[in-house]
Amino acid sequence: DAKTTQPTSMDCAEGRAANLPCNHSTISGNEYVYWYRQIHSQGPQYIIHGLKNNETNEMASLIITEDRKSSTLILPHATLRDTAVYYCIVKGGATNKLIFGTGTLLAVQP
Amino acid sequence: DTEVTQTPKHLVMGMTNKKSLKCEQHMGHRAMYWYKQKAKKPPELMFVYSYEKLSINESVPSRFSPECPNSSLLNLHLHALQPEDSALYLCASNRLAGGHGELFFGEGSRLTVL
Repeated sequence: DAKTTQPTSMDCAEGRAANLPCNHSTISGNEYVYWYRQIHSQGPQYIIHGLKNNETNEMASLIITEDRKSSTLILPHATLRDTAVYYCIVKGGATNKLIFGTGTLLAVQP
Repeated sequence: DTEVTQTPKHLVMGMTNKKSLKCEQHMGHRAMYWYKQKAKKPPELMFVYSYEKLSINESVPSRFSPECPNSSLLNLHLHALQPEDSALYLCASNRLAGGHGELFFGEGSRLTVL
């Protein structure tokens, strides 16, 4: 599976959009981009995933560049409860393996 | 029911003890996972079961022994652990046995080895 690179940490003001970047320059054609988050002392939580089209659900939007080498997770109106470690993961369809990288610690500030 | 339930939430054991961690899901999911997470580190994959058969073992030491007695239950048997095995052990399940889909995680069992 392709590796991902994320900033170690980011801050965001409450009520503003949080834009979390992820680089995955070695992604191959059949690999999807997944985002999970882990709030302190809880299990990870699935957020969204996509292949090449932009995706949106009730939690977030996922923007994938046309060359698929990077993506951005957007939380449209961040709240204090969105403070968590956000993991960007690239995963092929033929495997059960979900391998976590180091993630980005998003701190939403009041 | 969209939950993965892990018991116990906390476990303290000595290096000579034998204990087990338990994970249950009643969502009809066909893949189940064990992860290990040390403090301030990402979860590390340990084992994956697909259709109740072990499909992935990430070179985990034999002192950790997984078991999947049925499609709803996953155990992790612990024996002769070391203090460095102290960690949060996370269970997850996936509706699909292979390929895509979201993983549902439990809240974890926090293990301390003395």
